[in-house]
Amino acid sequence: GQNIDQPTEMTATEGAIVQINCTYQTSGFNGLFWYQQHAGEAPTFLSYNVLDGLEEKGRFSSFLSRSKGYSYLLLKELQMKDSASYLCAVRHISSGSARQLTFGSGTQLTVLP
Amino acid sequence: EPEVTQTPSHQVTQMGQEVILRCVPISNHLYFYWYRQILGQKVEFLVSFYNNEISEKSEIFDDQFSVERPDGSNFTLKIRSTKLEDSAMYFCASSEPGAVDTQYFGPGTRLTVL
Repeated sequence: GQNIDQPTEMTATEGAIVQINCTYQTSGFNGLFWYQQHAGEAPTFLSYNVLDGLEEKGRFSSFLSRSKGYSYLLLKELQMKDSASYLCAVRHISSGSARQLTFGSGTQLTVLP
Repeated sequence: EPEVTQTPSHQVTQMGQEVILRCVPISNHLYFYWYRQILGQKVEFLVSFYNNEISEKSEIFDDQFSVERPDGSNFTLKIRSTKLEDSAMYFCASSEPGAVDTQYFGPGTRLTVL
């Protein structure tokens, strides 16, 4: 089966940097996604990693280590609107298909003024 | 920017009734998905659909559930006889096959079963 762990809650200050960690155990790993979800809304895509290393996208960066089963999402220059749940999701090969996403429980980030 | 749309935004039904949730995926996408999220819990995969057939389904997707692409634009999820525990937010997603194959989610339908 698949198991994904991420902290339940984090708090940070506007303008600061925050790192949200995700660890996973899965067979047939085929990529890791980060999504942002505001309360009552749909998950929106932030980043994707399939190879080891850092992917940078504006204020957001995501890192992956496949050998350690570890990823993090780095948010810089935090803004109040970044207060949301951040979902780590793993794509894995299952029955010959590789599109199903398994989500972690999400990390609720609160940005304080 | 193209987006996935879903209707209705909120559906209230009585236990045992049938409901159909509707989705219009992004037009050039070929893979379609349904996920659900019970209030306060994680997003869970239900089913994926490609080339007019189910390609994967989870244990949640039992005989009470079915999916259909009745025409070139709509993708539906039917729950035949709703139970109280089916109350959740249901998200449709679609993806364009490729190296990344990112899934883009619709705004969701909140289903409340009374």
